[in-house]
Amino acid sequence: AQSVTQLGSHVSVSEGALVLLRCNYSSSVPPYLFWYVQYPNQGLQLLLKYTSAATLVKGINGFEAEFKKSETSFHLTKPSAHMSDAAEYFCAVTSYSGAGSYQLTFGKGTKLSVIP
Amino acid sequence: DAGITQSPRHKVTETGTPVTLRCHQTENHRYMYWYRQDPGHGLRLIHYSYGVKDTDKGEVSDGYSVSRSKTEDFLLTLESATSSQTSVYFCAISDRRGDRGYGYTFGSGTRLTVV
Repeated sequence: AQSVTQLGSHVSVSEGALVLLRCNYSSSVPPYLFWYVQYPNQGLQLLLKYTSAATLVKGINGFEAEFKKSETSFHLTKPSAHMSDAAEYFCAVTSYSGAGSYQLTFGKGTKLSVIP
Repeated sequence: DAGITQSPRHKVTETGTPVTLRCHQTENHRYMYWYRQDPGHGLRLIHYSYGVKDTDKGEVSDGYSVSRSKTEDFLLTLESATSSQTSVYFCAISDRRGDRGYGYTFGSGTRLTVV
């Protein structure tokens, strides 16, 4: 079964500093990987996705992620943190659930705090 | 997201009572999912549907049932609510058509408290 592990349940960065959120996956087939963001009291919003095209994926709000097969990683980065980036971030991998349906399996999330 | 709505947004119920949460979509997507979100656990799949009257269990289905009589509506029922079912419930939709890379669109969630 496919799974993802997010390293660090809480990450704090200073405003303007590099954001790095870590995600490692486990998959027996080539994975499709996603990053979602959740702002307080809201649903999840897709940040970016990897679907076996370019290994460096650019998303919304200046975020990007690099797929590294050798490291089974899909870490999320942003060069300069903004206060509005404070949220919870979820990594997810697609897995087949039968009857032609695929489901997303999520990591436990990383809460990002941005310090002014 | 405007194409998917959940109701109610908040609910407080007593232990042992039945509760039904509704997910309504206007996107005509085939696939619908119910997740629960709990601190330290991320999102866990409860049930999903791959068409009208076609549903299957997810990772944490015990104590929950679902129904989908129309493409646009996916209902989640807690047969007899327990305190362990206090959570935030999210509905998601997808129009996969075999494309694994589509991702989901999520509703805004229902915060359920069982007292």
